[in-house]
Amino acid sequence: RKEVEQDPGPFNVPEGATVAFNCTYSNSASQSFFWYRQDCRKEPKLLMSVYSSGNEDGRFTAQLNRASQYISLLIRDSKLSDSATYLCVVNGGGGADGLTFGKGTHLIIQP
Amino acid sequence: GAVVSQHPSWVICKSGTSVKIECRSLDFQATTMFWYRQFPKQSLMLMATSNEGSKATYEQGVEKDKFLINHASLTLSTLTVTSAHPEDSSFYICSAPGQVIAGGTDTQYFGPGTRLTVL
Repeated sequence: RKEVEQDPGPFNVPEGATVAFNCTYSNSASQSFFWYRQDCRKEPKLLMSVYSSGNEDGRFTAQLNRASQYISLLIRDSKLSDSATYLCVVNGGGGADGLTFGKGTHLIIQP
Repeated sequence: GAVVSQHPSWVICKSGTSVKIECRSLDFQATTMFWYRQFPKQSLMLMATSNEGSKATYEQGVEKDKFLINHASLTLSTLTVTSAHPEDSSFYICSAPGQVIAGGTDTQYFGPGTRLTVL
């Protein structure tokens, strides 16, 4: 059974702080990994893909550890607008497979 | 970037009626589309894979006779919730695979979702 597990939070973090989320996945055959962001009552939007070598996009850094089947997201200098639910997402392989979503981690940035 | 639309955005209906939700890829063709459902404070759960010109593939536990999927063209997939009941009230989202992006990974483009409330 495919599963992606995340700490649901909520994480209450002051503006400007650095915060990190983790998730684990159970399907060792998974090939693609993503972090999506979902705002309340909206569809999920791709935040960034996660590569084995680790990758950074502005204030966001993603890491993948295939051996431990573990994915992380780091947000630096957090903004109020970062408040959202962050979904860890795994794709078993190629565009023919639907995505497997974690339940999401709820982040609240406080002024 | 690629855009996927859904219609309607929200619908309220009486128990026992059927509701059709449309998912369109606006500037690209999609031989495959996916239908997800999200209950409050839950993760998105894949319901089925819609295949253009052939039968949909349903995930375990999803009733194919209740959730009818038709993928009649390369830009349109429809999900019909037949004889809807209050427990079918949920947020239904479709997606279509995008092209392979840098690094060899692929992504999906999501529609804005349809919020269904069954009274």
